[in-house]
Amino acid sequence: LAKTTQPISMDSYEGQEVNITCSHNNIATNDYITWYQQFPSQGPRFIIQGYKTKVTNEVASLFIPADRKSSTLSLPRVSLSDTAVYYCLVAITSGAGSYQLTFGKGTKLSVIP
Amino acid sequence: DAGITQSPRHKVTETGTPVTLRCHQTENHRYMYWYRQDPGHGLRLIHYSYGVKDTDKGEVSDGYSVSRSKTEDFLLTLESATSSQTSVYFCAIGSGDPNGYTFGSGTRLTVV
Repeated sequence: LAKTTQPISMDSYEGQEVNITCSHNNIATNDYITWYQQFPSQGPRFIIQGYKTKVTNEVASLFIPADRKSSTLSLPRVSLSDTAVYYCLVAITSGAGSYQLTFGKGTKLSVIP
Repeated sequence: DAGITQSPRHKVTETGTPVTLRCHQTENHRYMYWYRQDPGHGLRLIHYSYGVKDTDKGEVSDGYSVSRSKTEDFLLTLESATSSQTSVYFCAIGSGDPNGYTFGSGTRLTVV
């Protein structure tokens, strides 16, 4: 099982770009890198997913180097509403034909006014 | 989130009593999951289902059982609740893709 390591917490001021790096040294060929966001008292929600290189959507960008042993989630110009826990996951194929998500402890991002 | 509901939202029960949590979906997804979330542990997979009557164990399945008699419902049962099962329980549904998971709002269970 591909284990992920990410910082426990980060602080940032409003309007700054935030980069959260995650390491996943034993990622397998078929595994995807997925990031989820969780607000207090809510379930996690999908932010972005990638396999290699760079992926961008309306919320974030995801940078993955060629060796895929790490990834960086980039949140442009954060606001107070981006205060949440961010989970880096490696989605592995399960025997039942789907991808199984294994959550670590996540990074608690606090955005300061 | 639309398409997935958990019930009850909150429950307090006594040690040794059976408890059943319900997850209901209207998305017709094949895959359904139960996670628990505790401080310092993130989310941990309890059981999952890949079809009607098809279930398998996750990372922390001891003390829990599940049933899925129809596509839309996935039940999690604590046969004899213990204080260590005090937690927030999340159900998730999935299409099979890693970006296709949708989580419910959670059930906060307290075992006293």
